[in-house]
Amino acid sequence: SQQGEEDPQALSIQEGENATMNCSYKTSINNLQWYRQNSGRGLVHLILIRSNEREKHSGRLRVTLDTSKKSSSLLITASRAADTASYFCATDRSGGSNYKLTFGKGTLLTVNP
Amino acid sequence: DVKVTQSSRYLVKRTGEKVFLECVQDMDHENMFWYRQDPGLGLRLIYFSYDVKMKEKGDIPEGYSVSREKKERFSLILESASTNQTSMYLCASSTWTSGIGGDTQYFGPGTRLTVL
Repeated sequence: SQQGEEDPQALSIQEGENATMNCSYKTSINNLQWYRQNSGRGLVHLILIRSNEREKHSGRLRVTLDTSKKSSSLLITASRAADTASYFCATDRSGGSNYKLTFGKGTLLTVNP
Repeated sequence: DVKVTQSSRYLVKRTGEKVFLECVQDMDHENMFWYRQDPGLGLRLIYFSYDVKMKEKGDIPEGYSVSREKKERFSLILESASTNQTSMYLCASSTWTSGIGGDTQYFGPGTRLTVL
């Protein structure tokens, strides 16, 4: 069953704008990760946030986690055409197999030049 | 540089054929995974393995089997391919970190399988 659900399903913005994607999940987690997938390719890990963290930064990426609302957001600042991709959140379950992740259905981001 | 390779990028098979999808990782990772990805359904876990010769069913194991005879190689087998197994298949690997989870998964480029 799906643990994470991304919102929106698709997002189209202009180069230079910020992009925000959201992820909601159902059960308690240890960690939440974000991955990117370029069209027709494998997924690439972007960033991980632990359940005891509220915010994390990596370059132009900012991730927040609200465990009380069971939600996370990924912000990409000053977007570029090369950021065009699908973005997935992935969760592992507290008390479950730590190495097994459950992925959402993804948000398709299109950055127009 | 970490690397996960899959034997084919594109594969076309006929209904009823036995299909082997191979995945190799060069990172000495303990854990390996097979997913399928379909439009509107996201990634769904088929099988995973946490050690040589060890395997566990994922969310959608029906119609599939796996083999892990060596640490670096994880094979997905479709015993009798059917048209509803047409999909993108993704292999991934990860290693144990601190024991508190959050193991990053490293993905191969995917195999797009079409069953006619």
